[in-house]
Amino acid sequence: GAGVSQSPSNKVTEKGKDVELRCDPISGHTALYWYRQRLGQGLEFLIYFQGNSAPDKSGLPSDRFSAERTGESVSTLTIQRTQQEDSAVYLCASSPPAAGTQYFGPGTRLLVL
Amino acid sequence: RKEVEQDPGPFNVPEGATVAFNCTYSNSASQSFFWYRQDCRKEPKLLMSVYSSGNEDGRFTAQLNRASQYISLLIRDSKLSDSATYLCVVSRHYGGATNKLIFGTGTLLAVQP
Repeated sequence: GAGVSQSPSNKVTEKGKDVELRCDPISGHTALYWYRQRLGQGLEFLIYFQGNSAPDKSGLPSDRFSAERTGESVSTLTIQRTQQEDSAVYLCASSPPAAGTQYFGPGTRLLVL
Repeated sequence: RKEVEQDPGPFNVPEGATVAFNCTYSNSASQSFFWYRQDCRKEPKLLMSVYSSGNEDGRFTAQLNRASQYISLLIRDSKLSDSATYLCVVSRHYGGATNKLIFGTGTLLAVQP
């Protein structure tokens, strides 16, 4: 079956531009997470959506970062006025209800020049 | 202090060696425990769940000590293909009937020929 998909797979942008990253979770998965992973570093939690509950935004590093999710479907992560330190792989993961495991997408590799 | 702590390594071991990774977690309300594996430039994938009684999957053995808030992963007869980053993951209650997964930053294993 279809796994978590993310688009674009790679994105190169200029400093100061806005970017939008997309995640399509596995159908029926109520939980959706966004992570950032810089080169050679661990996963950095950004935001967590669970069903219709208020999202946990505690990991967003600044107000330039925002994310939305429509119901239990697609999510978009938006980075405004990108900076070079935003360069990283942005990973999305989804989980079925009441389950303890996550399924990751392949990530979007963002490079800010 | 991070909620999930791991030794970042790297652990450099020869083929055939036995290697053990440790992980500690700070939230005593954590409910479920997992080990994930992340290959270089790939997304993390579930390796195995960790049960209170300890569990084994082939060459891999996972153990949990709730009293000490400590999780371990033992790999016997290491193979070159075991080279990867091993991520310790705990699940805790977030709100309502939902749980949230917390990732450690991972331990890098390099198996040498």
